Amino acid sequence: TQLLEQSPQFLSIQEGENLTVYCNSSSVFSSLQWYRQEPGEGPVLLVTVVTGGEVKKLKRLTFQFGDARKDSSLHITAAQPGDTGLYLCARWSGGYQKVTFGTGTKLQVIP
Amino acid sequence: GAGVSQTPSNKVTEKGKYVELRCDPISGHTALYWYRQSLGQGPEFLIYFQGTGAADDSGLPNDRFFAVRPEGSVSTLKIQRTERGDSAVYLCASSPGHSPYNEQFFGPGTRLTVL
Repeated sequence: TQLLEQSPQFLSIQEGENLTVYCNSSSVFSSLQWYRQEPGEGPVLLVTVVTGGEVKKLKRLTFQFGDARKDSSLHITAAQPGDTGLYLCARWSGGYQKVTFGTGTKLQVIP
Repeated sequence: GAGVSQTPSNKVTEKGKYVELRCDPISGHTALYWYRQSLGQGPEFLIYFQGTGAADDSGLPNDRFFAVRPEGSVSTLKIQRTERGDSAVYLCASSPGHSPYNEQFFGPGTRLTVL
C-alpha cells in the first residue's frame, strides 16, 4: 500500500517550461527524500529535507518541505530533456522506520 | 568505486519454480535493502538488513519470500513457488547506515518475469 500520493501521475512538457510535482501524506513524517529514476536503473537520491518549511535548491530544482511536515513539492525551472524520468518522494517515519516511497510522477521533457 | 550490482539482470521462470536473486552491495555498507517495483510505481519495501541480521522484514508479502545475508555483505532474495503476481523489478540498495542522513545507493535491479 502506497501511503504517499504524488501528483500529477504523468507530465509531458516542452523544453524550457517550468513544472511542479507534489507529494502528500495524511500523516506527519520526520524527513522526506526526493529521487529520480531513469529506465533500467535504480533511483538516485536528489535531496533530503528534514525541517518543516525547509527549502533546498539544486541547480534548477527547488525542493520544499511543508510547514506541517505532511507534504513536499519539487519545482523544476526551464526543464531540459535530461530531466526526463520518474520522480519519487520517500518518507522516513519517526524513529527511523523503513522508507516508504510515493506513487511517482513520470516526467517527459520534449526537445 | 564499484556501485551496487545485482544478478541476474533478467530472470524468466515458470509458475511454481524457485528463484534466487543476488545483490552485491558497496563494500563497507552495513545496511542493505530489498524493494519490489511494479511498472510505473514507486519501490515497495520488502526487508532490510543491518549487518547479518534482518532488522525489519515486515514488507515480505508472504512466507514464499525469504532473504539472507550470511556474512554481512552479499544478500540473496529467495522466492519459492513463484506466482505470476511476483513479476516485477526487484531492487537492492545499500547504505553506510540506516537513517535518512545516509544515502541509499540502488542497484539496477533484477527484472523477474513469471510465466
